[in-house]
Amino acid sequence: AQTVTQSQPEMSVQEAETVTLSCTYDTSESNYYLFWYKQPPSRQMILVIRQEAYKQQNATENRFSVNFQKAAKSFSLKISDSQLGDTAMYFCAFEETSGSRLTFGEGTQLTVNP
Amino acid sequence: KAGVTQTPRYLIKTRGQQVTLSCSPISGHRSVSWYQQTPGQGLQFLFEYFSETQRNKGNFPGRFSGRQFSNSRSEMNVSTLELGDSALYLCASSKDGIYEQYFGPGTRLTVT
Repeated sequence: AQTVTQSQPEMSVQEAETVTLSCTYDTSESNYYLFWYKQPPSRQMILVIRQEAYKQQNATENRFSVNFQKAAKSFSLKISDSQLGDTAMYFCAFEETSGSRLTFGEGTQLTVNP
Repeated sequence: KAGVTQTPRYLIKTRGQQVTLSCSPISGHRSVSWYQQTPGQGLQFLFEYFSETQRNKGNFPGRFSGRQFSNSRSEMNVSTLELGDSALYLCASSKDGIYEQYFGPGTRLTVT
C-alpha cells in the first residue's frame, strides 16, 4: 500500500516571501501521479498542482512549483511571493495510474502573515 | 461549468440512525469518489463509482455504502450511525476516475 508523509504539521511565512512544503511517499509503482491540494478554512479542496511521475520536468503553475525527486520519493511544493489568500491546509496526494483512489498525507497548515 | 455540488451541507443525526448524502458531479464526469475527513484519521478513501458500478473500495465497514445513478449523480449511505462517523464527507468527480479529481464543498455530519 502507498503511504504519503508530510512531516511539517504547521508552517508560517511572511507575505511576499517564499515557502517550501515537504512531502515524501512510498510506493513500489514506477508510474503514478502526485498532487498538491489546498483546503482554505471552511472552504472546499482545490487542486493546486499536478505531476506525472514519468515526466522529469518539474510542474509549475504561476507562483506554485514542485521539486519532484523520483529516486528519493520526494515531492515538495514551493510557493513564491506568498499571499494572504494562500493561508490554508495543504495536502500532498498520490494516485496510481489505474486511478480512482487518492492517498493523502496528513496535511500542512500554512499561515501567511501580513 | 458548474462545480461538484453536495447536499445537504450540514447534518445532525442521532446514534443508530441512518443517513444519505448526495453528490452531483461536474457535467460530463462519470467517476465519483467519496472521502471521509476527520481530525484524527485525516482524509480516507471510501469508494469510487464509475458508470453506475463500484470500481474501488476503501477499508470501511459495510455500514458505509453507495450507489451511482445513470446521470452520474451519486449517493452514499451510512447505516446504524456511530459517534465516530462524525466527519466531513467529501465527494470528488473526474472524467474517468484517473488523474485530476475535483472536490465538492463537503457534507458536515455530526452524530450525537
